[in-house]
Amino acid sequence: AQKITQTQPGMFVQEKEAVTLDCTYDTSDPSYGLFWYKQPSSGEMIFLIYQGSYDQQNATEGRYSLNFQKARKSANLVISASQLGDSAMYFCAMREGDGVSSASKIIFGSGTRLSIRP
Amino acid sequence: ETGVTQTPRHLVMGMTNKKSLKCEQHLGHNAMYWYKQSAKKPLELMFVYSLEERVENNSVPSRFSPECPNSSHLFLHLHTLQPEDSALYLCASTKGAGGAGELFFGEGSRLTVL
Repeated sequence: AQKITQTQPGMFVQEKEAVTLDCTYDTSDPSYGLFWYKQPSSGEMIFLIYQGSYDQQNATEGRYSLNFQKARKSANLVISASQLGDSAMYFCAMREGDGVSSASKIIFGSGTRLSIRP
Repeated sequence: ETGVTQTPRHLVMGMTNKKSLKCEQHLGHNAMYWYKQSAKKPLELMFVYSLEERVENNSVPSRFSPECPNSSHLFLHLHTLQPEDSALYLCASTKGAGGAGELFFGEGSRLTVL
């Protein structure tokens, strides 16, 4: 069965520093996708970045990058030059399969609350 | 129109009431999801609907009943709920069929069961 683990309930980081949020996963399916979402205090879930299991390079989107280590089954999110607006809950998520089946299960980790200090 | 719209945003109901949550997506997606988010647990997948199939989490109690009349609308019918069902219920949709297949979320329906 698929499983997502985020071991950092909360983190404090100084503004402008880089931060790494940890995520490990478990699946027996060779094809899967990994996602990171941000949930500010307002409650909306915002998609940040995606990594496919067969992607050769680590995904990057602006200040976000995903440190994908397939052998270790980890998919850590790196935020460079953190900003006050980055303060939020961050969730790692996984989809088993290649996404062709439109009814794919996507499960979430327990989240990490990131707080940026000015 | 926002991509995924949920109504009502807030709902208070008694344990004997019957109510429904509604979700509508204007993105042309072909799969829709219900998630439960409570303070004590991570996001819990409840149901997935697509034109071809329905997938459900077997741990979801029968007092939650989903309905998906077409690819743009998704309902969650609620009856004889318990106080522990109080949570934020999030609807999401995805294009599926390859690509990243990321979820697009609505703003959620905050449910309080008295």
